[in-house]
Amino acid sequence: DAGITQSPRHKVTETGTPVTLRCHQTENHRYMYWYRQDPGHGLRLIHYSYGVKDTDKGEVSDGYSVSRSKTEDFLLTLESATSSQTSVYFCAISEPASRETQYFGPGTRLLVL
Amino acid sequence: DAKTTQPPSMDCAEGRAANLPCNHSTISGNEYVYWYRQIHSQGPQYIIHGLKNNETNEMASLIITEDRKSSTLILPHATLRDTAVYYCIVRVDPNDYKLSFGAGTTVTVRA
Repeated sequence: DAGITQSPRHKVTETGTPVTLRCHQTENHRYMYWYRQDPGHGLRLIHYSYGVKDTDKGEVSDGYSVSRSKTEDFLLTLESATSSQTSVYFCAISEPASRETQYFGPGTRLLVL
Repeated sequence: DAKTTQPPSMDCAEGRAANLPCNHSTISGNEYVYWYRQIHSQGPQYIIHGLKNNETNEMASLIITEDRKSSTLILPHATLRDTAVYYCIVRVDPNDYKLSFGAGTTVTVRA
């Protein structure tokens, strides 16, 4: 299994509070991704990174920001959590030569009350 | 855009081969076929991919028809741990970074 960890694995928070999720990899892969998975919507890309300090928006980026100061870490921040952001969040990594071969982390279950 | 069609569900007996079909009739010549699976409560897991030749790895085999309009993922000896949703994906846009998972096939391996 690819060396990808996510923290925390579970979190309960209140509406309006900021939340930061962390993805850490030991594979030295250049590309990193944040997805959310919800019933009826499948996996949706939130943000991705194609290198240190290089990030871009995915299809559902509103209300989220990301940062990547080191190759191994990709942070996802919910600036002011809302109940609609209750979801399971997955981090993934890949190499530029094969962006479709993505390796996923175990996920973070977030509940916003 | 190349799209995929998979049966919504299938059952398989433990120890038998599971053959998972996928139709991708609009696939273009340089598009690969990828297979992923997602076991309940876990992240998606890459299985295998191919262009036009059959491929095999430690997890599965991928058979792609000569016209490339369909493919079959083969789990040679299914175990209970292979129970999962299996997704067939065709790369659509080389500038698109996201993986587009459809509904997939829910495979249930029964003892």
